[in-house]
Amino acid sequence: QKEVEQDPGPLSVPEGAIVSLNCTYSNSAFQYFMWYRQYSRKGPELLMYTYSSGNKEDGRFTAQVDKSSKYISLFIRDSQPSDSATYLCAMSVIQGGSEKLVFGKGTKLTVNP
Amino acid sequence: EAGVTQFPSHSVIEKGQTVTLRCDPISGHDNLYWYRRVMGKEIKFLLHFVKESKQDESGMPNNRFLAERTGGTYSTLKVQPAELEDSGVYFCASSRDEGIFDETQYFGPGTRLLVL
Repeated sequence: QKEVEQDPGPLSVPEGAIVSLNCTYSNSAFQYFMWYRQYSRKGPELLMYTYSSGNKEDGRFTAQVDKSSKYISLFIRDSQPSDSATYLCAMSVIQGGSEKLVFGKGTKLTVNP
Repeated sequence: EAGVTQFPSHSVIEKGQTVTLRCDPISGHDNLYWYRRVMGKEIKFLLHFVKESKQDESGMPNNRFLAERTGGTYSTLKVQPAELEDSGVYFCASSRDEGIFDETQYFGPGTRLLVL
């Protein structure tokens, strides 16, 4: 079983739609839960991170963590064509004396005008 | 502030050749990480430098990979000899303080390596 599972999509929505992206995980040692956005030919860019269960909002983006179910989500409200990108969930864990990130495969999102 | 830069952006080599990838972290960032994404797979951790010291290299695939960070500034990742399965995108990331809470990891654009 992979430590982090993420549906790779692709996901195509019309402009203005609410987008829901999800990841599940199996490692209880994960500490921080992050969402990265990656545009084509670019490196991942951190969107949001959370530590505890619950919701965290930043503009049109809401990150949700449910540690009891080992499930995290990213919601995008009023999606825009500029949101078209690959969204990666990532989780941090301390192993071997180092804090490292464990990524999901990423979900490719296209927002159509 | 300049971001993390990586060179080259693309590299196409033949099996058995040597390739060296370079990463310049954000100035002042002591922590430098290498990650790799093989086609169809997730991004995976390779190793972590704190200044010039290797903090954790548990993700390095085998001894054909050698990473260095002389003087605690830029880092190089050498693959010698390259094999077909080494193809992928190699990302470098840097952070000022260790720990997500204090400082995030900033990623470079990646080097796309294709081994033929």
